[in-house]
Amino acid sequence: DTGVSQNPRHKITKRGQNVTFRCDPISEHNRLYWYRQTLGQGPEFLTYFQNEAQLEKSRLLSDRFSAERPKGSFSTLEIQRTEQGDSAMYLCASSLVFHEQYFGPGTRLTVT
Amino acid sequence: TQLLEQSPQFLSIQEGENLTVYCNSSSVFSSLQWYRQEPGEGPVLLVTVVTGGEVKKLKRLTFQFGDARKDSSLHITAAQPGDTGLYLCAGAVETSGSRLTFGEGTQLTVNP
Repeated sequence: DTGVSQNPRHKITKRGQNVTFRCDPISEHNRLYWYRQTLGQGPEFLTYFQNEAQLEKSRLLSDRFSAERPKGSFSTLEIQRTEQGDSAMYLCASSLVFHEQYFGPGTRLTVT
Repeated sequence: TQLLEQSPQFLSIQEGENLTVYCNSSSVFSSLQWYRQEPGEGPVLLVTVVTGGEVKKLKRLTFQFGDARKDSSLHITAAQPGDTGLYLCAGAVETSGSRLTFGEGTQLTVNP
């Protein structure tokens, strides 16, 4: 059974650069979620896909953030013109049943 | 806005002791999940509770969902160093899409 995978695991970038993260969900899961977690806090919801449709976005997802899930399989999260405040762990989760979400290992972003 | 408050925020105990972590809200949740997270990794799902008053056991861990589905507790019996980690509760409300609302977590350290 393959779990949720995320790449890269770590990303260091300079302020103003664009970054893209990838998430591969569990194969039969039709729902995919992105969360952001900062040190000492629980994860915060960013956005949610059911198949290829992006159904919900948090206010945290500013205009610099965009997420896609082409063909309802893997998903990408892009951050344009990164800021130091974007430094965080970006977590992807997938589910078949709406409330049971299984998380990937996360991508740790550091903006210098 | 649904909020989940966890207590205590930090807990340091000796091996063999018992402990309880609490997760409280003024909101009603359709379900509540408990996760455990290691440093640098994503949260791992431990249990899901959906029925008010429900009790689930996972080896030495006992999870309870409050009768009104507003609160939950996690009790660990005879804690072991391997139980060390960040414990997160997360609630889901079916009518608000699929987002999970997380508490801030309880950092548990079990000393040998």
